[in-house]
Parts: sequence; structure tokens; C-alpha cells
Amino acid sequence: EPEVTQTPSHQVTQMGQEVILRCVPISNHLYFYWYRQILGQKVEFLVSFYNNEISEKSEIFDDQFSVERPDGSNFTLKIRSTKLEDSAMYFCASGTGGLGHSPLHFGNGTRLTVT
Amino acid sequence: AQTVTQSQPEMSVQEAETVTLSCTYDTSESDYYLFWYKQPPSRQMILVIRQEAYKQQNATENRFSVNFQKAAKSFSLKISDSQLGDAAMYFCAYRSAYTSGSRLTFGEGTQLTVNP
Repeated sequence: EPEVTQTPSHQVTQMGQEVILRCVPISNHLYFYWYRQILGQKVEFLVSFYNNEISEKSEIFDDQFSVERPDGSNFTLKIRSTKLEDSAMYFCASGTGGLGHSPLHFGNGTRLTVT
Repeated sequence: AQTVTQSQPEMSVQEAETVTLSCTYDTSESDYYLFWYKQPPSRQMILVIRQEAYKQQNATENRFSVNFQKAAKSFSLKISDSQLGDAAMYFCAYRSAYTSGSRLTFGEGTQLTVNP
């Protein structure tokens, strides 16, 4: 069964550095998402992406964050000037259709540790 | 904005027994979808079951079933014949049926322990 793949599985970075988290969505999916889960807390929506542009973003997704689909297969989340509170699990997800009936498929996540 | 609430941070069940996890939500929309996701220690998010709000019949998937009460805005998950592999964090989630690319809104999660 096709999967959403995320790399790396664990990223350690120093405060103030930039990181890029990578995702390869399922090939025929059109909608792409990033979610964040701080340890012990709920999974929070960051951003959705469709047709090469952001379709929705949360209040968490400020100017520090950006997303890109550079080559038609990868979907990246860039965090500029990381802060300690950015330490979290970041999940990429993809789906075939925009309406609620189609489930989202999640990757295994990237654990980001900011020191 | 929609909210999802899971009031049970932790639950435990004996192997082979049945357990019910609670979820309530708040929305002004009439058409939407509800989901239960399982997150084992590996942290992967796995879809367990899905319910469409316009369907009165409760969804079932093998040992997993839901009790969907639309008027009460309640969506509980029942796990029958619990197995050790069911031990995980369970998240209830809401998704609008009106907006393309709509987000999933998750509850706080319930940590399920299965005792042998």
C-alpha cells in the first residue's frame, strides 16, 4: 500500500538555525498538510496546500514557516530561525480529495529537537 | 471554529474485554466527518474508523465500532475483544464537509493501556 514518507526521522538543530523537513506524499494525492505535535499534547494543524499554493494556515503558521512543493513529488516545511518551542513531532499528510470524506494519510513524522 | 474534546486522558482495559473511549465536539455545521486515529509508541498516525455525519448508521470496522449521537455531538469509540496491540494513544478528529482541503481538528487524545 502506498505510504507517505518523511525524512529525516529525527532532526537535531541549534536554536536560530534553519531546518527543512521533507515529505513525499502518495503519488496521486492532491492535498498536502503539515501538522505538529508537541510532546504530550494534541496534534495541531499548521498548513494545507493545494494546486501549488497554501489553501489554509493556522495561527501557528507565522512568517517563520514556509512550505514548498519544489519538484512535483517532495513537499517541504521550512522553519527559519528555530526556537526551543519548535521542538515537536511534525507530521506530513496527504489526501486525494478536498472534501471531508477522503481520509488523510499520515507519514511517520519527523521528531525535531531544538537545543 | 470547531472544537473536539476527549475528557479521558487515560483508560485501561483487560485483554479480551471491551472499552469505550469518549469524544464530544462542537460545530455549527450540519455536514462533516468524524474520525478516530490510533497513535502507537512509534508515533505513526493510523486511521481506525470514519463516520459521515449524514449517515445515521454507526460505522464498524471489525472489532472497532462507534456510537455517533449527532444531536448530542458525541462520537465514542468502542473496542471489543481488546488486544495488547490496541495499546496506543487514540485521537478523535473532526473534518468539515464544506471546504476543500479542510483541516482535521483533533482532540487531546486518550492513552489506552491494555492489561494482560
